[in-house]
Amino acid sequence: GNSVTQMEGPVTLSEEAFLTINCTYTATGYPSLFWYVQYPGEGLQLLLKATKADDKGSNKGFEATYRKETTSFHLEKGSVQVSDSAVYFCALIPADRGSTLGRLYFGRGTQLTVWP
Amino acid sequence: SQTIHQWPATLVQPVGSPLSLECTVEGTSNPNLYWYRQAAGRGLQLLFYSVGIGQISSEVPQNLSASRPQDRQFILSSKKLLLSDSGFYLCAWGNRLGQGSYEQYFGPGTRLTVT
Repeated sequence: GNSVTQMEGPVTLSEEAFLTINCTYTATGYPSLFWYVQYPGEGLQLLLKATKADDKGSNKGFEATYRKETTSFHLEKGSVQVSDSAVYFCALIPADRGSTLGRLYFGRGTQLTVWP
Repeated sequence: SQTIHQWPATLVQPVGSPLSLECTVEGTSNPNLYWYRQAAGRGLQLLFYSVGIGQISSEVPQNLSASRPQDRQFILSSKKLLLSDSGFYLCAWGNRLGQGSYEQYFGPGTRLTVT
């Protein structure tokens, strides 16, 4: 079946520290991979995505590379800010050329807190 | 550009009362639409999805129902709320990018507290 596993956290960092949040997935073929971010009291925002192997998604200083060989999509940022404090979700949509469903499978989320 | 609206933003309802949450999408046609619930502890659960008007599929048995009366409108309902229905309800719309890849965007959510 389809599933996503991400590090549970919480992750606590000082401002300007390096961030890595690990994410691995199980799926057949080549799913689309995503990172979403949820700020307190808000809905989920699409942070970045990658739709094929070796693609690198990037946005707002965050990056993640689609690694088929390790079935991973780890989120990284070189220098975090206090404003990056949020919950981060790794997710996938299975590749299914015959389906119009496109449903998301989520990891459980990782709480990130950045201190000044 | 596409936008997705949800209302109300917050809602406090007594046990046994009815529920109606509304979601509308602008700037796209024939989207896939989804209802998720996020309970305390932040896990996301897919409740319903729809690939077209009047076409609703349920992921989990529950006392909630969904309807899609128009192409870009998705409604979540209940005849009698339970305490366990409390949570953060998120609507999303999905877009097929081609070559079997997809993306999905979320609304701002409705915080429901059942008392």
